Amino acid sequence: DQQVKQNSPSLSVQEGRISILNCDYTNSMFDYFLWYKKYPAEGPTFLISISSIKDKNEDGRFTVFLNKSAKHLSLHIVPSQPGDSAVYFCAASAIQGAQKLVFGQGTRLTINP
Amino acid sequence: DGGITQSPKYLFRKEGQNVTLSCEQNLNHDAMYWYRQDPGQGLRLIYYSQIVNDFQKGDIAEGYSVSREKKESFPLTVTSAQKNPTAFYLCASSVSGQGLLGYTFGSGTRLTVV
Repeated sequence: DQQVKQNSPSLSVQEGRISILNCDYTNSMFDYFLWYKKYPAEGPTFLISISSIKDKNEDGRFTVFLNKSAKHLSLHIVPSQPGDSAVYFCAASAIQGAQKLVFGQGTRLTINP
Repeated sequence: DGGITQSPKYLFRKEGQNVTLSCEQNLNHDAMYWYRQDPGQGLRLIYYSQIVNDFQKGDIAEGYSVSREKKESFPLTVTSAQKNPTAFYLCASSVSGQGLLGYTFGSGTRLTVV
């Protein structure tokens, strides 16, 4: 049972434009949602997070939007830069689930010059 | 600098052998985790530990074992019972109740069965 899904395996965006990565979830008990960035042969690095009581969180070029009624979150990167090319994972956790992170399959973002 | 160290970076194992992956952290984090990444798949939880001398199975624990004798260390043993062990293994740690802070990950160990 895939509780967190990223339906787009890959996304290609032109440098300077907006990148939008999407994530859907099924477990309404999730309290926290996070985005991680991963380069090949490295561990993921934390990017941005949002609590279920909010619908938007912004940090520099990165903004995460949460739509609880649709069980959907998205990550916006504006403007996109070549260094943003990586695999992005969304993850979610529930306080009742010992806050173990459940990850999506990942989306490979490629920023083209 | 505080961090989480996984070793070795690459590991080759013959079929039928057990192998142990090392994970050490100096972040003073209470919780530690092992995940596995396969191509085209997300990170799947193998085992986790919230305190010393205690650990729980994750979603894919079969064929793996762990120990947590020290707060800093959480080694993972891939046993011969694991049917498809070739994968990228990631160790992570977090403060208890990490919520919005998430995990700190190591740089991973790529295990290949030859």
